[in-house]
Amino acid sequence: QQQVKQSPQSLIVQKGGISIINCAYENTAFDYFPWYQQFPGKGPALLIAIRPDVSEKKEGRFTISFNKSAKQFSLHIMDSQPGDSATYFCAASNTGNQFYFGTGTSLTVIP
Amino acid sequence: DAGVTQSPTHLIKTRGQQVTLRCSPKSGHDTVSWYQQALGQGPQFIFQYYEEEERQRGNFPDRFSGHQFPNYSSELNVNALLLGDSALYLCASSFRLTGTDTQYFGPGTRLTVL
Repeated sequence: QQQVKQSPQSLIVQKGGISIINCAYENTAFDYFPWYQQFPGKGPALLIAIRPDVSEKKEGRFTISFNKSAKQFSLHIMDSQPGDSATYFCAASNTGNQFYFGTGTSLTVIP
Repeated sequence: DAGVTQSPTHLIKTRGQQVTLRCSPKSGHDTVSWYQQALGQGPQFIFQYYEEEERQRGNFPDRFSGHQFPNYSSELNVNALLLGDSALYLCASSFRLTGTDTQYFGPGTRLTVL
């Protein structure tokens, strides 16, 4: 059973556009929701994370929107750049416990 | 400040063999988690070590075992390798007292089972 469902599987965006990746979860005990960026041949790198007590968190061009009632959260990449081309994973955990990852979104930003 | 390091980078084994993967956590971190990432999939949690003991375990068989040393480094052992064990094995470290939420991943070990 997939604890965290992620969509879309792949995404192509023009340079300067907005990339949006969505995730949904079922376990209401989850209280930490990070996003990771992974380049080929590398381990995942923490991008940005949010807790359920806020609905939005912004760090530079990256924003997480969180909807607790719908049990959904999303990553918005503003002004997408070719260097953002990577695979993005959402994850969820109950503090101190294991992470459950989504299946990943392959983002391609076209110059 | 060295990040999480893993060795070896790549490994090729045959079915039935045993393998040991190694991880050194980020400086100041005391907790190590291991994940398996199959091609095109998200990482799957194997287990977590803290104070040299296995604290949590995911849905993996007993063929997967681990160890944590006094210097916080860790090993992942897989016995009786199956073709399906081919994957990228990731180690992540964190500092328990500040919460294990912020996990930093190493570059992984690519295991191929023939």
